[in-house]
Amino acid sequence: GPKVLQIPSHQIIDMGQMVTLNCDPVSNHLYFYWYKQILGQQMEFLVNFYNGKVMEKSKLFKDQFSVERPDGSYFTLKIQPTALEDSAVYFCASSWGLGRAETLYFGSGTRLTVL
Amino acid sequence: GDSVTQTEGPVTVSESESLIINCTYSATSIAYPNLFWYVRYPGEGLQLLLKVITAGQKGSSRGFEATYNKETTSFHLQKASVQESDSAVYYCALGDRNNAGAKLTFGGGTRLTVRP
Repeated sequence: GPKVLQIPSHQIIDMGQMVTLNCDPVSNHLYFYWYKQILGQQMEFLVNFYNGKVMEKSKLFKDQFSVERPDGSYFTLKIQPTALEDSAVYFCASSWGLGRAETLYFGSGTRLTVL
Repeated sequence: GDSVTQTEGPVTVSESESLIINCTYSATSIAYPNLFWYVRYPGEGLQLLLKVITAGQKGSSRGFEATYNKETTSFHLQKASVQESDSAVYYCALGDRNNAGAKLTFGGGTRLTVRP
């Protein structure tokens, strides 16, 4: 089936540094998402993105977070600067967006460890 | 806000036994909820197992079934006879039918281990 690829699978970074998480969504999809899952907790919505713009973001999507998809390439999540509480697994997803019951396709996640 | 509550794991059953993972939802901001079960097999990404968009209907896939019950706000996942390959983490999720690209609200996940 369709695949969403996330690169890298694990990233370790020092607090205060910048990190960019990369996502290669399904090729004809129009909507893109990031979810965050802290160890032992529920997977929570961060942001969705369509037509070059953020449509909706949660309270977890702090000012230090930004997303973009320049020229239809990777969909990225940038955190600048990172904080200890940003340690989590970040899941990217994409969807076609025109159906009544959207199926989101998820990547395997990037585990971010902030030291 | 919207929320999903599901059976806390881990759940361990023996092969060929029956399984039920409970899921209840609260859709305070969604007029027409869609309901989903996603599954994550070891080492893989989350993938859709089944979905139902109309209250009263049942979805099924790979021997699993779930019925969208609007009266009890439930979407329990059932299987009559599990296999070892069903060992995975199962997530119940809630979406919005009328909002393309809408976020999903997930339950906490239920880790299932099937003993051979």
